[in-house]
Amino acid sequence: GEDVEQSLFLSVREGDSSVINCTYTDSSSTYLYWYKQEPGAGLQLLTYIFSNMDMKQDQRLTVLLNKKDKHLSLRIADTQTGDSAIYFCAEEGAGSYQLTFGKGTKLSVIP
Amino acid sequence: DVKVTQSSRYLVKRTGEKVFLECVQDMDHENMFWYRQDPGLGLRLIYFSYDVKMKEKGDIPEGYSVSREKKERFSLILESASTNQTSMYLCASSGRDRVNSPLHFGNGTRLTVT
Repeated sequence: GEDVEQSLFLSVREGDSSVINCTYTDSSSTYLYWYKQEPGAGLQLLTYIFSNMDMKQDQRLTVLLNKKDKHLSLRIADTQTGDSAIYFCAEEGAGSYQLTFGKGTKLSVIP
Repeated sequence: DVKVTQSSRYLVKRTGEKVFLECVQDMDHENMFWYRQDPGLGLRLIYFSYDVKMKEKGDIPEGYSVSREKKERFSLILESASTNQTSMYLCASSGRDRVNSPLHFGNGTRLTVT
């Protein structure tokens, strides 16, 4: 079945850029998503990209998609302590409304 | 703004009790989902529904059932709660138009079964 992989931890200094990486296996993926989860809360949709795009920018967030390598990344510019959270990558296959999620990357921001 | 509301943030139930977890969305979304989230296991899909009265099993439906009598409401039922059902439960909804109605989550219900 489809699989989505992410590294489990990332630690950055406040003010630096963070890059969270994700790989997926489903070549028919149509949409790819990034969600943020703060402690004790649900998942908050950050951004998403259609599979025929290779980049999307939204304020401090930049999503890069390499469809050939099935690699997705989320760059957070000028990382702040409020960005500390778990970030989930997810993909949606063609003809399906279901998302397959990675296990999440815990981002720790050091003041 | 999309709002997915789960009726309880925290719930403590005893083994063997019947438990109802309620979820309501206000965006007229067709699709609704129930996930559970456990450390090290990520999110796992329990049940989903693409329309009123319709339900489909996800990856881990055993021990659970669902009800979707109205479009805006999707209920998860634990017929006889067990300690291995202690978990964070997340409800989500989306519309058929992925661009304008992507998947949004509620704040979760942390269920403890003692």
